[in-house]
Amino acid sequence: KNEVEQSPQNLTAQEGEFITINCSYSVGISALHWLQQHPGGGIVSLFMLSSGKKKHGRLIATINIQEKHSSLHITASHPRDSAVYICAVSAGTSGSRLTFGEGTQLTVNP
Amino acid sequence: ETGVTQTPRHLVMGMTNKKSLKCEQHLGHNAMYWYKQSAKKPLELMFVYNFKEQTENNSVPSRFSPECPNSSHLFLHLHTLQPEDSALYLCASSQRPLADPYEQYFGPGTRLTVT
Repeated sequence: KNEVEQSPQNLTAQEGEFITINCSYSVGISALHWLQQHPGGGIVSLFMLSSGKKKHGRLIATINIQEKHSSLHITASHPRDSAVYICAVSAGTSGSRLTFGEGTQLTVNP
Repeated sequence: ETGVTQTPRHLVMGMTNKKSLKCEQHLGHNAMYWYKQSAKKPLELMFVYNFKEQTENNSVPSRFSPECPNSSHLFLHLHTLQPEDSALYLCASSQRPLADPYEQYFGPGTRLTVT
């Protein structure tokens, strides 16, 4: 079992829909990261959070430390949101050393 | 544009070839990383450099040889690779390597195919 589990693995939505991607982890963490990877391969950091909630535009990330769970929400989804979304954790005292989930492939259809 | 560049973007090499991947960061960071991303698998950390010193080698075969001449440049030298080494190789940088969680900034990756 991976230390970081994401669900679903694949998600297809219609433009405008509200999207939720989930991440569960089994280790103590100092921070959780949400990353976005477009088909070209490059990865962009969306959020780094250790408690509560963060919002950036149409993206919202939440984390529940007690339940070892985080969610990434996308409101009013758009085809340009189509990408792989990756959850990663900085575990315990390892600081910036990241452990990654397998990613969620999101496809938003017009 | 994340401030981290990688060259080449695509590389095809035979098993007997020697090639190098290059990464450069323009962010003033002092930690740099090499990751491997194989199809259908999570990213795997390969090497970590902190102020030009290698601080982590994640059991990577010796056919991968990293080099960090300064805090802005990172190389991955490749020799006698195997077909299973075909993958996307990503470079990243951050402000501090292991002491605190900092956001990592990724390059666009080099798509490597070993024939």
